[in-house]
Amino acid sequence: GQQVMQIPQYQHVQEGEDFTTYCNSSTTLSNIQWYKQRPGGHPVFLIQLVKSGEVKKQKRLTFQFGEAKKNSSLHITATQTTDVGTYFCAGPNNQGGKLIFGQGTELSVKP
Amino acid sequence: DSGVTQTPKHLITATGQRVTLRCSPRSGDLSVYWYQQSLDQGLQFLIQYYNGEERAKGNILERFSAQQFPDLHSELNLSSLELGDSALYFCASSVGGGTGGANSPLHFGNGTRLTVT
Repeated sequence: GQQVMQIPQYQHVQEGEDFTTYCNSSTTLSNIQWYKQRPGGHPVFLIQLVKSGEVKKQKRLTFQFGEAKKNSSLHITATQTTDVGTYFCAGPNNQGGKLIFGQGTELSVKP
Repeated sequence: DSGVTQTPKHLITATGQRVTLRCSPRSGDLSVYWYQQSLDQGLQFLIQYYNGEERAKGNILERFSAQQFPDLHSELNLSSLELGDSALYFCASSVGGGTGGANSPLHFGNGTRLTVT
């Protein structure tokens, strides 16, 4: 079945270092969404990308959607302790449209 | 605050029992989704309702069932509970009704942590 894979599973960085998580789908996606879940919290919607090659920025966060619409990335510049959490990508299932979540990348930031 | 309300926050019950999880969506949202989150399985889609009707189904066990009521709140019923059902259960809502919420951002509640002993 369709899969959405994320790497790495864990990332430990020093505060101020950059961070990137990658998301790959086994099929072409109509759109991709990114969510952040703080420890002990619930997933919170960050952004949705729709167009091939789309790049969107939110302050220190940069989101990209691949040209083939099968992969995406989230890059955080100069991480802060407030960036700690698990970042999920999610894309529609090609058989029914339900949102399939990647396994997430857990980010820890050492001050 | 996402505007999605889930109750209870915690549930501890024994194997073989039945529990009901409740969710009130954000004002104006017609779709409600249920997800299960466990350490080894990530966020697993269970089921979606749109304006009272089942719209999409994931890998939901036959022991589990859900419904959405006329006031749009939803309940997830888990029966014949097993140890492996212990997990965090999230409800989410969205404005759109696109199957499974594929095109609309989801707004998650705080979750219900179920512990089966």
